[in-house]
Amino acid sequence: AQTVTQSQPEMSVQEAETVTLSCTYDTSESDYYLFWYKQPPSRQMILVIRQEAYKQQNATENRFSVNFQKAAKSFSLKISDSQLGDAAMYFCAYRSALGTDKLIFGTGTRLQVFP
Amino acid sequence: NAGVTQTPKFQVLKTGQSMTLQCAQDMNHNSMYWYRQDPGMGLRLIYYSASEGTTDKGEVPNGYNVSRLNKREFSLRLESAAPSQTSVYFCASSAWGAGTDTQYFGPGTRLTVL
Repeated sequence: AQTVTQSQPEMSVQEAETVTLSCTYDTSESDYYLFWYKQPPSRQMILVIRQEAYKQQNATENRFSVNFQKAAKSFSLKISDSQLGDAAMYFCAYRSALGTDKLIFGTGTRLQVFP
Repeated sequence: NAGVTQTPKFQVLKTGQSMTLQCAQDMNHNSMYWYRQDPGMGLRLIYYSASEGTTDKGEVPNGYNVSRLNKREFSLRLESAAPSQTSVYFCASSAWGAGTDTQYFGPGTRLTVL
């Protein structure tokens, strides 16, 4: 069975600085998708970025980018120019490319942003 | 475009009571999901419905039943609530099988069982 591990329960960053959130996963599959979701205090789950395992190029979305290391099974999220609105829980998630698109989530990292 | 909606937003039950959480999506998605979120445990899949007319168990199905009423609606029922079911419940949907794989989430229901 696949597992997702987020080893940083909490992180903090100063406004305008850069922070990296870690995620590792375990799978025997070669084709899959990885996601980062943001959950602000409103509880709404918001997709931040997604990565297809067959793509070598790291995904980017504005200030958010990933460092996808397939061999190491690592999928970290880099937030550049951090803003106060980035403060939230961040969840890493895995989805197999086979069968249904069930998501397997990590336990989350709480990000605090200080002015 | 409302996306995924859930009712109610908050609910308090006594042990042994029953209730149904409602979920609806207006994105014409095939697949729908119910997750629960507990502190320190991330989101765990309870049940899912890959398409209208089908439902399957997820990681933590015990104590729950689901109904895929039609393509838009997917309800979660607690027949006899227990304190261990105190959690935040999220419904999600996706257009799986139609070339995209992103799941979209509802705002969640905070359920407390006394």
